[in-house]
Amino acid sequence: GQQLNQSPQSMFIQEGEDVSMNCTSSSIFNTWLWYKQEPGEGPVLLIALYKAGELTSNGRLTAQFGITRKDSFLNISASIPSDVGIYFCAGPKETSGSRLTFGEGTQLTVNP
Amino acid sequence: DTAVSQTPKYLVTQMGNDKSIKCEQNLGHDTMYWYKQDSKKFLKIMFSYNNKELIINETVPNRFSPKSPDKAHLNLHINSLELGDSAVYFCASSRRRGTRGGEQYFGPGTRLTVT
Repeated sequence: GQQLNQSPQSMFIQEGEDVSMNCTSSSIFNTWLWYKQEPGEGPVLLIALYKAGELTSNGRLTAQFGITRKDSFLNISASIPSDVGIYFCAGPKETSGSRLTFGEGTQLTVNP
Repeated sequence: DTAVSQTPKYLVTQMGNDKSIKCEQNLGHDTMYWYKQDSKKFLKIMFSYNNKELIINETVPNRFSPKSPDKAHLNLHINSLELGDSAVYFCASSRRRGTRGGEQYFGPGTRLTVT
């Protein structure tokens, strides 16, 4: 079953607001990946994190690899309408090789 | 320029039919995957191939058979389609090892509707 808890499940915000979402697990992860999926498209990789404590930015997006290696968060600053989509966290557990586990996704809606 | 491509984009078919979905990647990756995304958007791994060798085979009905003619292609054949097979199927690829080996790149998806 699903072993990555992603929250919140959905967010409705106004354009210009900042957004924060996170993923937690009872298992240790070697890598944390954040994807965005727009309607009718495949997930697109936004940020990859490889070391505990790592903080990485990609434009208005910032993600961090938790110190315990069991969590990660994604922040979006100054949201715009094109940020709409489903955001997924994912990663290979320490013992799972290349097999990714996905969170259930956070559906983001941005009102202009 | 397309990194991971799938055909067809949409597939509508009747119960009991056999259908195939094709996937190609031009990223030079040696590992490819098939995922199923259900109506709740949950992504579940089905299969993984590394250099044409099956390395992940989740609990998937044996009506689903992946085939990898070379490391740039991974096709999915489905026999005797059932209503519950309706979903979006995504192909993905990654490097097996080394720097950025965990990063998977997804195709645009194939929406399968079984009537």
